[in-house]
Amino acid sequence: KAGVTQTPRYLIKTRGQQVTLSCSPISGHRSVSWYQQTPGQGLQFLFEYFSETQRNKGNFPGRFSGRQFSNSRSEMNVSTLELGDSALYLCASSAGGQGNTEAFFGQGTRLTVV
Amino acid sequence: DQQVKQNSPSLSVQEGRISILNCDYTNSMFDYFLWYKKYPAEGPTFLISISSIKDKNEDGRFTVFLNKSAKHLSLHIVPSQPGDSAVYFCAALAGGTSYGKLTFGQGTILTVHP
Repeated sequence: KAGVTQTPRYLIKTRGQQVTLSCSPISGHRSVSWYQQTPGQGLQFLFEYFSETQRNKGNFPGRFSGRQFSNSRSEMNVSTLELGDSALYLCASSAGGQGNTEAFFGQGTRLTVV
Repeated sequence: DQQVKQNSPSLSVQEGRISILNCDYTNSMFDYFLWYKKYPAEGPTFLISISSIKDKNEDGRFTVFLNKSAKHLSLHIVPSQPGDSAVYFCAALAGGTSYGKLTFGQGTILTVHP
């Protein structure tokens, strides 16, 4: 069974640009969550999608947005990039149904804003 | 407000001995807990989880203990191996309201010496 796939693995962007990151969850999983990891803030929750609907959102500015497609693949977009957006962006896949289930992470996308 | 805390930034253990990683939480709504292992620039790897209706869960060399009254959980690794050297994160979910939002601790760096 294939794991969670994130693309691209590495990205370098300039301040003010926008970026789109992609996440393909484990087959059969309907929930995709996004996290940002930085040295200072640790792993922080961005948002979660289930069946194409955003069910939960963390405390990030509106420049951070996402969506989920009918095949459960998800994209995350960051507009007007700032230097502080440099981070490892991780997505996690889970079944997402009733009750708690384990979340499985992809390898992440390392974004560097210069 | 750090709702999940790992108070030990690092732990050093000899190969073959027990590693004990600790985690405290403050939110009484948390009812599912997970441990992840992480290498730099990679996504977290799921290790083991425990529901709040249990006080212990075992999987091979890994055992997680939960003390609800103390709001404390611990991960025991026995015997420790050099390949266990990584950053360990505990994470928590708040039942039906989490919708994929894992709240992470700051992590503990485990070093297992041969």
